[in-house]
Amino acid sequence: DAGVIQSPRHEVTEMGQEVTLRCKPISGHDYLFWYRQTMMRGLELLIYFNNNVPIDDSGMPEDRFSAKMPNASFSTLKIQPSEPRDSAVYFCASSRSTDTQYFGPGTRLTVL
Amino acid sequence: DQQVKQNSPSLSVQEGRISILNCDYTNSMFDYFLWYKKYPAEGPTFLISISSIKDKNEDGRFTVFLNKSAKHLSLHIVPSQPGDSAVYFCAASPKEGGSYIPTFGRGTSLIVHP
Repeated sequence: DAGVIQSPRHEVTEMGQEVTLRCKPISGHDYLFWYRQTMMRGLELLIYFNNNVPIDDSGMPEDRFSAKMPNASFSTLKIQPSEPRDSAVYFCASSRSTDTQYFGPGTRLTVL
Repeated sequence: DQQVKQNSPSLSVQEGRISILNCDYTNSMFDYFLWYKKYPAEGPTFLISISSIKDKNEDGRFTVFLNKSAKHLSLHIVPSQPGDSAVYFCAASPKEGGSYIPTFGRGTSLIVHP
């Protein structure tokens, strides 16, 4: 299996621009998670889906952030408009029910 | 407020010695604990876990100890190797409805010197 796939690996954008991060989970996994890693907060859970349905989005910092999972093999995390404080590494992870999570390589986002 | 705390941002150890990474938690509902390891430019990978019904779990050079009364767990790596140099995340979760959605700590960066 290819593991969790994320794209792009690096994104540099200017403040105010829209940013879309993409994730392909491992086939057969029914949970998908979006995390953000920063020096100050460590690894924060933003939102997670079960069977493509958003279950808990309480970690999403603001209305500027939105996430979708239109099917079992694809999810997006969108930031609109982006701000410099959104600069971080964003991870997608997937799991099979209560199993441990498998993380993607992450997207390093820099907002200038 | 951090429910899972890793108070040491970094740890430096000589190759061959023991590495001890510590983690404290505040939520008494947590009953499943995990350690993840993260290399630069990669995502975290699962290392070892422990359920609250146990106080020790061992996997090769890695042992996790759980002290429920103190709400404390630790990861021991013996002997430490340079390839163990990575960021280690502690995570904890409650068994709610059969799903384990973990809360992560901020991580401890371990450097093992040759």
